[in-house]
Amino acid sequence: NAGVTQTPKFRVLKTGQSMTLLCAQDMNHEYMYWYRQDPGMGLRLIHYSVGEGTTAKGEVPDGYNVSRLKKQNFLLGLESAAPSQTSVYFCASSDPMMNTEAFFGQGTRLTVV
Amino acid sequence: GNSVTQMEGPVTLSEEAFLTINCTYTATGYPSLFWYVQYPGEGLQLLLKATKADDKGSNKGFEATYRKETTSFHLEKGSVQVSDSAVYFCALTNAGGTSYGKLTFGQGTILTVHP
Repeated sequence: NAGVTQTPKFRVLKTGQSMTLLCAQDMNHEYMYWYRQDPGMGLRLIHYSVGEGTTAKGEVPDGYNVSRLKKQNFLLGLESAAPSQTSVYFCASSDPMMNTEAFFGQGTRLTVV
Repeated sequence: GNSVTQMEGPVTLSEEAFLTINCTYTATGYPSLFWYVQYPGEGLQLLLKATKADDKGSNKGFEATYRKETTSFHLEKGSVQVSDSAVYFCALTNAGGTSYGKLTFGQGTILTVHP
């Protein structure tokens, strides 16, 4: 009963390096999301997807790219990491046609030095 | 656009004390309202929800009532336990249409309960 799984859980990057965060869900949900969590600011939406092959920008999309090649996976990429991208990243999925609840992964703590 | 405002923390209580965390919102239409909880080192879990005015969500002794007239969804618990220590987030989403389940979160309230 995995739900939403994120990898990796922790990562330290140097400024300018690139990386990809992977999110996988086994609930057959159509919608998937990437949020970032910063102290005092709650969670803010980076990008989201409403189905395989689709992506859309959220509230804070700059510096990130995403892909949804398979329904169960949603990838978040940082092409050239910056210290401002130090954050905790959460993936979530939902199926609002069934209910309005979103299910979250355990988070990825990323530090950019 | 949508926004959620939570009472600022951190909140520190003794075990068995009464808890209130205030949450007010601004939204178009008729949003669904949520409280999520984040225990140390974990992701967010849904604590309770309400999808229409005057609905009361409840779970694990926590309650919140959807008050459209005051645009509020305050979280309450009559007697907190040490195990309730966590970060609590109020959130909303607009139902249907082009909302696609996107959540707008408050800033979070850190709750610490001492024995």
